[in-house]
Amino acid sequence: KQEVTQIPAALSVPEGENLVLNCSFTDSAIYNLQWFRQDPGKGLTSLLLIQSSQREQTSGRLNASLDKSSGRSTLYIAASQPGDSATYLCAVAGNQFYFGTGTSLTVIP
Amino acid sequence: NAGVTQTPKFQVLKTGQSMTLQCAQDMNHEYMSWYRQDPGMGLRLIHYSVGAGITDQGEVPNGYNVSRSTTEDFPLRLLSAAPSQTSVYFCASSYGQLGLYNEQFFGPGTRLTVL
Repeated sequence: KQEVTQIPAALSVPEGENLVLNCSFTDSAIYNLQWFRQDPGKGLTSLLLIQSSQREQTSGRLNASLDKSSGRSTLYIAASQPGDSATYLCAVAGNQFYFGTGTSLTVIP
Repeated sequence: NAGVTQTPKFQVLKTGQSMTLQCAQDMNHEYMSWYRQDPGMGLRLIHYSVGAGITDQGEVPNGYNVSRSTTEDFPLRLLSAAPSQTSVYFCASSYGQLGLYNEQFFGPGTRLTVL
């Protein structure tokens, strides 16, 4: 069974700092990896989708990379803002979607 | 487009009661799925569907039923609610029968408490 791990579980940074969130998975036979943002009490908002044949995807201040062979993905957030405070989840698509437990990010003004 | 909608937003049940959580999408997505989210456990797949009339079990299907009579709707039924089913339930959809290849879109969730 695919296991998806996100470390750290929580992260606190000052505003303006660049940061990296990590996602690792145990089975490299995936179709894609997707990063989501979840605000407290809300649903999941899709941030980036990386297909298994791709190495990275970018959207604004966000950049996600995928190294399928090593079972790792990173989400890079540039120039963090208080509005980036949320929980960030990664999910891999194999025979079904498997989710990590998320990293709770707090950006301090 | 409304995207993926879920009703109700909140629900309190007593043990043994039954209810249906509603999910609808207006994006003509073939692939739809139900998850539950519990603290420290991430999202876990309950049931999914690759199109009208086709459903299958996910990781934690016990105690839940689904049906898919139309492309738009995918209701989740709790047959006899138990306290262990207290959770936040999310519905999601993605394009095509091979929905695993494509971006998932989520509803806002239903927060269910079983007493």
